[in-house]
Amino acid sequence: DTGVSQNPRHKITKRGQNVTFRCDPISEHNRLYWYRQTLGQGPEFLTYFQNEAQLEKSRLLSDRFSAERPKGSFSTLEIQRTEQGDSAMYLCASSLRGTGTEAFFGQGTRLTVV
Amino acid sequence: TQLLEQSPQFLSIQEGENLTVYCNSSSVFSSLQWYRQEPGEGPVLLVTVVTGGEVKKLKRLTFQFGDARKDSSLHITAAQPGDTGLYLCAGAGSGAGSYQLTFGKGTKLSVIP
Repeated sequence: DTGVSQNPRHKITKRGQNVTFRCDPISEHNRLYWYRQTLGQGPEFLTYFQNEAQLEKSRLLSDRFSAERPKGSFSTLEIQRTEQGDSAMYLCASSLRGTGTEAFFGQGTRLTVV
Repeated sequence: TQLLEQSPQFLSIQEGENLTVYCNSSSVFSSLQWYRQEPGEGPVLLVTVVTGGEVKKLKRLTFQFGDARKDSSLHITAAQPGDTGLYLCAGAGSGAGSYQLTFGKGTKLSVIP
């Protein structure tokens, strides 16, 4: 399967714990995005990488959130000191520069903070 | 802030019926994409429309981009149970921030056999 891969698919954590999610984009795609989706809403943009450079962060991305994309390949999204309001589906997408914004999404990581 | 409004929010129809869902905004988008999402899964890209007035067909699905590139519609002919899902439209802006997609809340479609 050469699509976008996200791990883990599901994560249950206690409030206050740190969690880290991983995204492996489609191999030739140099753009990578993180989105968050809560129940009944469409995905909301969190952050964007072009190669290894993080070029944009949403106001939704508080200082407890950090994303990295070392070497311009896979990416990680870490949430520190999780809160119940962080419970959501975290979606990763990738696209190829030059194809506009045609983004292909992974299956997501469902985070539940208890 | 660019906003996309989708209507209807929910739609339940019998197999074989036709339907249209809408995606509207007061903002101009450089392109607009339609996705279908099933519960617990990520959105799957259906189509991208770029040119005002553009019409694209994908089997029984017809997508149209408004002339002013502010709105779009998705028409499904002879709906089947396999069409059930959440249909999301997403717009890409022009200029700075054009790499971001702004999503609507989606239309949840149920096709009853």
